[in-house]
Amino acid sequence: AQSVTQLGSHVSVSEGALVLLRCNYSSSVPPYLFWYVQYPNQGLQLLLKYTSAATLVKGINGFEAEFKKSETSFHLTKPSAHMSDAAEYFCAVSEGWGKFQFGAGTQVVVTP
Amino acid sequence: GEEVAQTPKHLVRGEGQKAKLYCAPIKGHSYVFWYQQVLKNEFKFLISFQNENVFDETGMPKERFSAKCLPNSPCSLEIQATKLEDSAVYFCASSQKQDSTGELFFGEGSRLTVL
Repeated sequence: AQSVTQLGSHVSVSEGALVLLRCNYSSSVPPYLFWYVQYPNQGLQLLLKYTSAATLVKGINGFEAEFKKSETSFHLTKPSAHMSDAAEYFCAVSEGWGKFQFGAGTQVVVTP
Repeated sequence: GEEVAQTPKHLVRGEGQKAKLYCAPIKGHSYVFWYQQVLKNEFKFLISFQNENVFDETGMPKERFSAKCLPNSPCSLEIQATKLEDSAVYFCASSQKQDSTGELFFGEGSRLTVL
């Protein structure tokens, strides 16, 4: 079985500061990894995905993530936080077509 | 349409009552998925469809839960005899292709509250 673990359920960052959200995975096969964002009262929106091509993946809204096999990690970063980045972020691993195992989520709060 | 449309947005049921949720996938998407989000964070896969055919129902509770995707109708998720623990937000998602790397497009969810 595959799984992901997100370290930190809440992250508070200042506007303009680096955003770093941590995700570690457990998988017996090369994983397909995803980051989704959920804004209040909305569904999930895909930020980026790793599908065994480039290990550094760029996504929407200035986010990027780096796949590190040696560390079994797929951390999400954004160099400069914006107020609009306040949301819940979910790391996920694909268990097959359309079937994801999601992490517990990390709530990001951006302070002025 | 251009978005996954879920109805109703909110549904309140007394314990033991039936609940039925609907999902219209994005036009042209043949694949539909249902997820349950309990306690705000925990997502659980329930079931997936390829057109009107069930593809994977390993996440569906064996009793009380059923789902359908019929031609020319919204997909539905039905819970017979709801229980308190069924209170959750139910998300529908659709996709265009059968691919483990493919993106799912999620609706805004239907919040079910069982009293």
